[in-house]
Amino acid sequence: GENVEQHPSTLSVQEGDSAVIKCTYSDSASNYFPWYKQELGKRPQLIIDIRSNVGEKKDQRIAVTLNKTAKHFSLHITETQPEDSAVYFCAASKGGTYKYIFGTGTRLKVLA
Amino acid sequence: DAGVTQSPTHLIKTRGQQVTLRCSPKSGHDTVSWYQQALGQGPQFIFQYYEEEERQRGNFPDRFSGHQFPNYSSELNVNALLLGDSALYLCASSLMGGSGQETQYFGPGTRLLVL
Repeated sequence: GENVEQHPSTLSVQEGDSAVIKCTYSDSASNYFPWYKQELGKRPQLIIDIRSNVGEKKDQRIAVTLNKTAKHFSLHITETQPEDSAVYFCAASKGGTYKYIFGTGTRLKVLA
Repeated sequence: DAGVTQSPTHLIKTRGQQVTLRCSPKSGHDTVSWYQQALGQGPQFIFQYYEEEERQRGNFPDRFSGHQFPNYSSELNVNALLLGDSALYLCASSLMGGSGQETQYFGPGTRLLVL
């Protein structure tokens, strides 16, 4: 069935370092890949997304890459700051369906 | 521009009871999806409503039902509550495009505790 695997489950980095979170999806028909940040007790907030016709997208310190052949996509955060500490979720969806399949989340801790 | 709103924020019920959760979509959006997020897990898709009809359903029993109103707001109903229904229930709104690439924006959620 449809599945999105996300690694690592926890990630600790020093402030200023980079963080990388990786996801793998099972359904090759998936064509949209959003990333959400969820702080404790708050709603998931969209931070960046990528569509299947693009290999990379960047927004300031955040970038996402997509490898359709390998069915991998990754979130890259550079120059991490303490306020980047949160749980990050990747998701995948495809045309003809309306649901997101979420990964299990990565708890990112940025150490000052 | 109002974002997605949900009510109530918290709810405590006992096993066997029924609960109704409410969601108002972001202004301009016509589609509402519901997700269940257990503690420490990613959101799990329950169902989606568009044009007042359920468009797709995830792997949830019939105890979970919903409704969408002409103003696009939506309700999630859960009957015969079980302890395992305790979770954060998230509503997400989007604008239907049909490509599967529509961005969903989440509400703050309703935290349900079943005792």
